[in-house]
Amino acid sequence: DTGVSQDPRHKITKRGQNVTFRCDPISEHNRLYWYRQTLGQGPEFLTYFQNEAQLEKSRLLSDRFSAERPKGSFSTLEIQRTEQGDSAMYLCASSVSDRANTEAFFGQGTRLTVV
Amino acid sequence: DAKTTQPNSMESNEEEPVHLPCNHSTISGTDYIHWYRQLPSQGPEYVIHGLTSNVNNRMASLAIAEDRKSSTLILHRATLRDAAVYYCILRDRDDKIIFGKGTRLHILP
Repeated sequence: DTGVSQDPRHKITKRGQNVTFRCDPISEHNRLYWYRQTLGQGPEFLTYFQNEAQLEKSRLLSDRFSAERPKGSFSTLEIQRTEQGDSAMYLCASSVSDRANTEAFFGQGTRLTVV
Repeated sequence: DAKTTQPNSMESNEEEPVHLPCNHSTISGTDYIHWYRQLPSQGPEYVIHGLTSNVNNRMASLAIAEDRKSSTLILHRATLRDAAVYYCILRDRDDKIIFGKGTRLHILP
């Protein structure tokens, strides 16, 4: 297992199009997180899952955003009707459990550019 | 919102120790103190974490104040590869990981 994998690494899309990103966590990691990061800022929490259950969605996540983790393994983040303000790095992370003394592992991210 | 306060940036000379401070005055008894760092164009990576006692690992040391309202990440001998943004985070069970703005560490050759 080589860590958290995100696909694609880069995506350029026209405004108004839909995009979908995929995250493959480390095997047997129950918890999965999605973040968005813009230049010069720390990662902003979007949503997280415990197995297939979505625990919380940030108020940053508008109705155009949806995330799934159907079988408790990989996850997808979809953005509908993209806007230029959606341009950012989208990061995924996973951890083995919900225990606070465990570390989270991050992927390299998907960089989205909306033109 | 992030529950920690860190300086925006710090500078250090190569091969010297670096002490990165973090204030977390509202820490609860069950919060763990975690540190992550983010190298340019990469996702964050875990550095170290602790609860009450000081901790050491191959990357760094974590010194935790007796009242737990502050902590310090110590890089014993900084290299150019340690130039990154360092984030201090409080984690409690069931809590999502919330990042603040972190400290941008510059290493001078």
